[in-house]
Amino acid sequence: DSGVTQTPKHLITATGQRVTLRCSPRSGDLSVYWYQQSLDQGLQFLIQYYNGEERAKGNILERFSAQQFPDLHSELNLSSLELGDSALYFCASNLGHLVGNEQFFGPGTRLTVL
Amino acid sequence: AQTVTQSQPEMSVQEAETVTLSCTYDTSESDYYLFWYKQPPSRQMILVIRQEAYKQQNATENRFSVNFQKAAKSFSLKISDSQLGDAAMYFCAGGYSGAGSYQLTFGKGTKLSVIP
Repeated sequence: DSGVTQTPKHLITATGQRVTLRCSPRSGDLSVYWYQQSLDQGLQFLIQYYNGEERAKGNILERFSAQQFPDLHSELNLSSLELGDSALYFCASNLGHLVGNEQFFGPGTRLTVL
Repeated sequence: AQTVTQSQPEMSVQEAETVTLSCTYDTSESDYYLFWYKQPPSRQMILVIRQEAYKQQNATENRFSVNFQKAAKSFSLKISDSQLGDAAMYFCAGGYSGAGSYQLTFGKGTKLSVIP
């Protein structure tokens, strides 16, 4: 158990809908990262938050957004869903101070768009 | 931009034997770390080993070791005395400090099968 929690574990929805994925980082971690794992694109970095502020953006679509709250949990919002958004979404956390800090991954949320 | 390449989509090894998974990377950053993550069928991402780019010595964690060739930008993972529980997807990743963010760039992964 990494100490990172993600809810829900599975999510099935229809095209055009909007969903919210939730992540609680390990106690003491200030940085949260979101990754998308799909069959054709592999694991891709989406976005990072550090202590409530957006720190970096990767290959995140404009239909996707995220935020980190004062209690440091984070939410990833996916809207106008398309079939291609079906993937495993991981949240990871670490202290965020040093590049060598291990990122601890949550169990992921499996999103299926029908 | 940083890139990480794993050229072996699948590999297999006999139980108790040794196997080496390959990884190459490219970056212009001077401060970076390299990682190997394991993803078993449960889908959980588990850190196997990490290497600091500024260190000459290759990292070792029990049966897992790396061969880090900085000039060649190569970072291979050696698994000794392979066990059935080692069967998983293995991802090579680079962590770079550019622009104050430390996100990981992953390779496409290598699926390792362990034959009893």
